[in-house]
Amino acid sequence: DSGVTQTPKHLITATGQRVTLRCSPRSGDLSVYWYQQSLDQGLQFLIQYYNGEERAKGNILERFSAQQFPDLHSELNLSSLELGDSALYFCASSPPTGGNTGELFFGEGSRLTVL
Amino acid sequence: AQKVTQAQTEISVVEKEDVTLDCVYETRDTTYYLFWYKQPPSGELVFLIRRNSFDEQNEISGRYSWNFQKSTSSFNFTITASQVVDSAVYFCALRKTSYDKVIFGPGTSLSVIP
Repeated sequence: DSGVTQTPKHLITATGQRVTLRCSPRSGDLSVYWYQQSLDQGLQFLIQYYNGEERAKGNILERFSAQQFPDLHSELNLSSLELGDSALYFCASSPPTGGNTGELFFGEGSRLTVL
Repeated sequence: AQKVTQAQTEISVVEKEDVTLDCVYETRDTTYYLFWYKQPPSGELVFLIRRNSFDEQNEISGRYSWNFQKSTSSFNFTITASQVVDSAVYFCALRKTSYDKVIFGPGTSLSVIP
């Protein structure tokens, strides 16, 4: 158990719909990262937050948005869903500066299926 | 730009054989971190090892060993006496600093056949 909690674990929805994925980082971790893992494209970095502020952005679609709240949990919002958005979405966290040894700690992922 | 290449898409070995997973990285930074993660069929990502760019000492942990060679920009992973439980997708990854995003290679799917 990495200490990173993601909900829901599985989600099935239809094209055009909107979903929200939630992530609670490990206790004390300030950084949250979102990754998308689809069959064809491996693990793609979407976005990073540090203590509530956006730190880095990757290949995140405009239909997707995210935020990190004051309690440090994060949400990834996916809207106008398409079949190609079906994927495993991972959240990861890492410690603040002083205790950071570099690795990310991943949640179990949220598997999204768009029908 | 940073990049991680894992040329072996799929590998199959018979149980008890040794297997080496290759990883080649590209970066212009002088300091960076390298990682290996394991993704078993259940789907979670399990951290295996971290290596700092200034520490080229190889590491052994049980049946696992890692060979880091800065001169060839490689960070290879060897499993000795493979077991069926080693069947998984293995990802090599690169990070510029301890605060940056982690860039993953495409992964190598390892099947260990009993």
